[in-house]
Amino acid sequence: KNEVEQSPQNLTAQEGEFITINCSYSVGISALHWLQQHPGGGIVSLFMLSSGKKKHGRLIATINIQEKHSSLHITASHPRDSAVYICAVPLRYSGGGADGLTFGKGTHLIIQP
Amino acid sequence: DAGVTQSPTHLIKTRGQQVTLRCSPKSGHDTVSWYQQALGQGPQFIFQYYEEEERQRGNFPDRFSGHQFPNYSSELNVNALLLGDSALYLCASSTWPGAAYGYTFGSGTRLTVV
Repeated sequence: KNEVEQSPQNLTAQEGEFITINCSYSVGISALHWLQQHPGGGIVSLFMLSSGKKKHGRLIATINIQEKHSSLHITASHPRDSAVYICAVPLRYSGGGADGLTFGKGTHLIIQP
Repeated sequence: DAGVTQSPTHLIKTRGQQVTLRCSPKSGHDTVSWYQQALGQGPQFIFQYYEEEERQRGNFPDRFSGHQFPNYSSELNVNALLLGDSALYLCASSTWPGAAYGYTFGSGTRLTVV
């Protein structure tokens, strides 16, 4: 079974700072997901990546498959970025068959004005 | 293009009762997964449905059961509710097999057991 570790658990920063959230997993995967959850519960998928780097606006996600590690970066952070950021990977390596996700505990990010 | 729709949004039940939660997947998706998220925790995988069959199951007791209909919508049933079943229940849809194709999540059903 895949295990996911996220760090830090809590992060408070000032508006404009560069933010990095890290995720490590234990078993080889087909793809890793970065998700955002606001108070109230709904989850939004930010990125799904299996190699290299993806960018969307001020968000950048990178993954190193060999090291089983991924990072989520936020440039020029803004108070509206305040949310819980969650890393998720397939529950187990299933070679293309059914697979639910296992989630990290999440990083609670607060950006202060 | 509607995303994932879950109903109801909030629900209060009494210990020992049964509950049914519903999920309509995003248009074009054929696979539905259910997750339980206790307060302050990450979501936990309950099960995944494809072609009206349960394809994978997490570590949840048989009190948790599900169903998928021909139109790909799904239900999660929980029998003999316990106080510990209070949680946010999330539905995620995808294209089979899911993990490699991305998921769309619903806003969840907040279940409170009293």
